[in-house]
Amino acid sequence: DTEVTQTPKHLVMGMTNKKSLKCEQHMGHRAMYWYKQKAKKPPELMFVYSYEKLSINESVPSRFSPECPNSSLLNLHLHALQPEDSALYLCASSRDRNQETQYFGPGTRLLVL
Amino acid sequence: QKEVEQDPGPLSVPEGAIVSLNCTYSNSAFQYFMWYRQYSRKGPELLMYTYSSGNKEDGRFTAQVDKSSKYISLFIRDSQPSDSATYLCAMSAGGAQKLVFGQGTRLTINP
Repeated sequence: DTEVTQTPKHLVMGMTNKKSLKCEQHMGHRAMYWYKQKAKKPPELMFVYSYEKLSINESVPSRFSPECPNSSLLNLHLHALQPEDSALYLCASSRDRNQETQYFGPGTRLLVL
Repeated sequence: QKEVEQDPGPLSVPEGAIVSLNCTYSNSAFQYFMWYRQYSRKGPELLMYTYSSGNKEDGRFTAQVDKSSKYISLFIRDSQPSDSATYLCAMSAGGAQKLVFGQGTRLTINP
């Protein structure tokens, strides 16, 4: 089973709201990733967690706050977002950071008003 | 110059045709090569994974890597309307280096 699940599928939020995106995998993978994808563009890496520790932050604004409560779960907390943050947010996982094969979830489509 | 170049298309072919999708790259350290398929408004789905040079076949799909030319290809035989999607190449140097994606090629298979 190579399934990564994400909730919610769609999210609309105002610029003053606080919301969270959730990601889950049960493949025993120890590396998890957040990507942002704008229309007609490839995914852009935001954060990497390895063994539940943050290993890469690609200079993402602090209004995005990742969290890895355990090896199966990854959250992305959102606060005071801007309209330009509207995008598809993708979660991915791999066996570990040295495993290049990443499996993506279906994404959360976020609209910031 | 981008590390990975991929023609964004769009590419439109009739059903049953052989489709050839390509990427070129500049970083000679890349060793791991992947093709992802992404349907509209969905997440990327891993199609093919190749390490170093050579060919790999899986059903109607064949991935080729030519490291000497820094060129990778994905061939789709007997293309079907359900193959209509954006195809992303991705590559990595390994050792915890991040994936570098091409821009994606939008493919339409016409019935």
